[in-house]
Amino acid sequence: GAVVSQHPSWVICKSGTSVKIECRSLDFQATTMFWYRQFPKQSLMLMATSNEGSKATYEQGVEKDKFLINHASLTLSTLTVTSAHPEDSSFYICSASQIGTQPQHFGDGTRLSIL
Amino acid sequence: KNQVEQSPQSLIILEGKNCTLQCNYTVSPFSNLRWYKQDTGRGPVSLTIMTFSENTKSNGRYTATLDADTKQSSLHITASQLSDSASYICVVSGAGGTSYGKLTFGQGTILTVHP
Repeated sequence: GAVVSQHPSWVICKSGTSVKIECRSLDFQATTMFWYRQFPKQSLMLMATSNEGSKATYEQGVEKDKFLINHASLTLSTLTVTSAHPEDSSFYICSASQIGTQPQHFGDGTRLSIL
Repeated sequence: KNQVEQSPQSLIILEGKNCTLQCNYTVSPFSNLRWYKQDTGRGPVSLTIMTFSENTKSNGRYTATLDADTKQSSLHITASQLSDSASYICVVSGAGGTSYGKLTFGQGTILTVHP
């Protein structure tokens, strides 16, 4: 149980392209979803927290107009990296929990490479 | 500032040997501590979760300990296997106030098991 699916697992695109990453909770309803970014050999860094039906709460230093988050249903959240540039290349991981303070279940991540 | 420090940063052991990973934290107030295993290019997978009153918890060949007084935790891996090669991340969840439910991640220990 508690499976979180992330898609795509790997994407390569040109600079200036917008990229959408999906995060789905397959067997539970996720009232809260989290988006993380992880650079090589570093730990996960929380980017934003989204509650279903509400605007996402972004961590300090994360541009909300750059990283658009939508959490329109209890099983799906999307992260759109707008006008991506090479410095946005990273490993993006989502997690989901039934209630904000309950254990988070992580997706398998999306490797984003911007050329 | 809430912090989680892990040691060593990396560790190489031979298959079949035991090893112990360390985690020190300053998160306060404290809710729980989790150890995750993250394979390269994958999302973190939970190994153990411990609350304030728990001193030790096992999951197969993984045994976690927690000393809430000294704010230290360890993860002991017994009879290591090649598949244990991964990054092991200590994650502490806060309780109350602005730390409520918020996760603080350690930087991880990269374990490599050689045949």
